[in-house]
Amino acid sequence: DTGVSQDPRHKITKRGQNVTFRCDPISEHNRLYWYRQTLGQGPEFLTYFQNEAQLEKSRLLSDRFSAERPKGSFSTLEIQRTEQGDSAMYLCAGELAGGPYNEQFFGPGTRLTVL
Amino acid sequence: AQKITQTQPGMFVQEKEAVTLDCTYDTSDPSYGLFWYKQPSSGEMIFLIYQGSYDQQNATEGRYSLNFQKARKSANLVISASQLGDSAMYFCAMREPSFVSSNTGKLIFGQGTTLQVKP
Repeated sequence: DTGVSQDPRHKITKRGQNVTFRCDPISEHNRLYWYRQTLGQGPEFLTYFQNEAQLEKSRLLSDRFSAERPKGSFSTLEIQRTEQGDSAMYLCAGELAGGPYNEQFFGPGTRLTVL
Repeated sequence: AQKITQTQPGMFVQEKEAVTLDCTYDTSDPSYGLFWYKQPSSGEMIFLIYQGSYDQQNATEGRYSLNFQKARKSANLVISASQLGDSAMYFCAMREPSFVSSNTGKLIFGQGTTLQVKP
C-alpha cells in the first residue's frame, strides 16, 4: 500500500457524459502526477502539479480534460463529453520533492469504460 | 526526446530460475534516472528498483538487480529465483532529474513486458 488512494476504482459511463476522478496522495507529497494507461501499453503522462500549481500539461490533455489540486492536497481530473477513446486506466502518483530522483508512489488507478 | 523501448512483449520463466527483462533508452541528457515498476493484474504500479545515470554500481534490491550498461543505453532488470507471484507486467521508465526546477520529473514509460512464471 503506497498510501495514495483513488476514487472511484471503476467507472462505466455513456458517451457524452462527464466524469470526475479523485486522487488523495499522502500529505507530504507536494508533487502530483496524472497518467493515462490504455490496454497493453505503458502509462502516458497527462499533467503535473507542484503543490496547487499545475505546471505542465501534455498535449494528450485535450480541452475536454481539466485537472485541479486545490490547496495542494487532493486532486481531481474531470473529463467532459466523454468519448470511447477516453476508455483507459487513469493513474495518479505522488512524490515528495527534495531528492534528485525520488520515487513516485502510484495509486490503484481508476478504470474508465465509455460505452 | 526521451524514449524507452522494451522489445519483449511476453516472457516465460520456470519457477526458481532467473530471468532478464530488456530495456533500452534514448536521451540526450547527461543526467537521468531509470526505474522499473511491476504491475500485477490488479493494476497498481509497484516500484522495484532505481538506477541513476551517474551511479557507478548496478542497483540491487533483494531479488531484483539492474544491469546498467550506459554506453549501450540499456537498463535490463534481472529477477533471480523467480516466484509465482512475480507473474505481472513490468515497465521500464526514465525521468529527467526533478532537482532542476524547469523539469517536471515526469516518467516516460516503455510498452512493458508480461512475465509469466511457470510452476
